[in-house]
Amino acid sequence: AQSVTQLGSHVSVSEGALVLLRCNYSSSVPPYLFWYVQYPNQGLQLLLKYTSAATLVKGINGFEAEFKKSETSFHLTKPSAHMSDAAEYFCAVSGSTGNQFYFGTGTSLTVIP
Amino acid sequence: GAGVSQSPSNKVTEKGKDVELRCDPISGHTALYWYRQSLGQGLEFLIYFQGNSAPDKSGLPSDRFSAERTGGSVSTLTIQRTQQEDSAVYLCASMKDRGKTDTQYFGPGTRLTVL
Repeated sequence: AQSVTQLGSHVSVSEGALVLLRCNYSSSVPPYLFWYVQYPNQGLQLLLKYTSAATLVKGINGFEAEFKKSETSFHLTKPSAHMSDAAEYFCAVSGSTGNQFYFGTGTSLTVIP
Repeated sequence: GAGVSQSPSNKVTEKGKDVELRCDPISGHTALYWYRQSLGQGLEFLIYFQGNSAPDKSGLPSDRFSAERTGGSVSTLTIQRTQQEDSAVYLCASMKDRGKTDTQYFGPGTRLTVL
């Protein structure tokens, strides 16, 4: 079965500091992995996705994530946090069968000025 | 429209009443998902529609929950005899096509409160 675990339900960083949001996955097949962001009062939108091409994936707004099979991880990073990055971030994995996607419990990012 | 829309944005109801939540997907998108987002929880899959195929209802938590998609477009999620534990944000997402790598486009959600 597929699942994702997001370590840290709340992360606070200073403006300009490195952002690191952790996601570990469990999958019985090569996974397809996603990061979505949910800004306040808005729907989730895709940040980036790993689809078995390059292991380092670049997304919107300066975010990137690296697929590490040996660590079963897909952590999200951004070199320099901006106030506008404050949001809820969700990691997700495709199911091995059918068309389900499995989401983590989310990480709320706070950026301190 | 430009994106996925959901209505109402907020719904307050009394325990035992029925509610209907609506989702308008992006035009031309064949796949449609319903999720439930409870406080402190991730997104819980409820149901999936793909074109004219039979829906995947494996995520519906009880027989009080049902959904339909008319004409391959608009979808309605119905919750009968609502309970307080049904209180959550209900999210709808559409995808252009089926596929494990496709992007889901989410609506803003309907916040349901059952008193």
